[in-house]
Amino acid sequence: DAGVIQSPRHEVTEMGQEVTLRCKPISGHDYLFWYRQTMMRGLELLIYFNNNVPIDDSGMPEDRFSAKMPNASFSTLKIQPSEPRDSAVYFCASSYTGGNTEAFFGQGTRLTVV
Amino acid sequence: RKEVEQDPGPFNVPEGATVAFNCTYSNSASQSFFWYRQDCRKEPKLLMSVYSSGNEDGRFTAQLNRASQYISLLIRDSKLSDSATYLCVGQGSSYKLIFGSGTRLLVRP
Repeated sequence: DAGVIQSPRHEVTEMGQEVTLRCKPISGHDYLFWYRQTMMRGLELLIYFNNNVPIDDSGMPEDRFSAKMPNASFSTLKIQPSEPRDSAVYFCASSYTGGNTEAFFGQGTRLTVV
Repeated sequence: RKEVEQDPGPFNVPEGATVAFNCTYSNSASQSFFWYRQDCRKEPKLLMSVYSSGNEDGRFTAQLNRASQYISLLIRDSKLSDSATYLCVGQGSSYKLIFGSGTRLLVRP
């Protein structure tokens, strides 16, 4: 298995633009997590899904952020409009509750909003 | 107060030293705990799970103290390759994973 795949790896965008981050979880995994990492705040859980259904989105910072999981093999995190304070590394992770629940992370998307 | 708290460090130790990290958690409903390792500009990866009885994996030992709500990680005979950030993680019954901010370890020659 190729692991969790995120795209793009790097994104530079101007303030006010829409940004879409993509994630393909490991096949067969039933949980998907979106995290944001900054030096100041560390790894913050934004939202997570179980069997494609959002379970907890209390970590989503504001209405500018939205996430979807239309099927078991794809999820998106969208920021519209983007702001400079959204600059961070965004990680997607997936896990399988039938196993040891280890979360496998993608390589992350480094977002810079200028 | 954050759900999972760690000393950010950095811990700067010589090769061969023994180093210990602690982590405290505030949610007594947390059921499972883990240590993850994150190298610079890389994704976090599972280092080991933490059990109440304590568990050991080579040079690494993890302990959980539910009464005091803290988790520890002990690294013996530190190697240069152990330099990384170590993340403490708590998981509740809903499988929600909450990460601490991490403790940075620097092992010097």
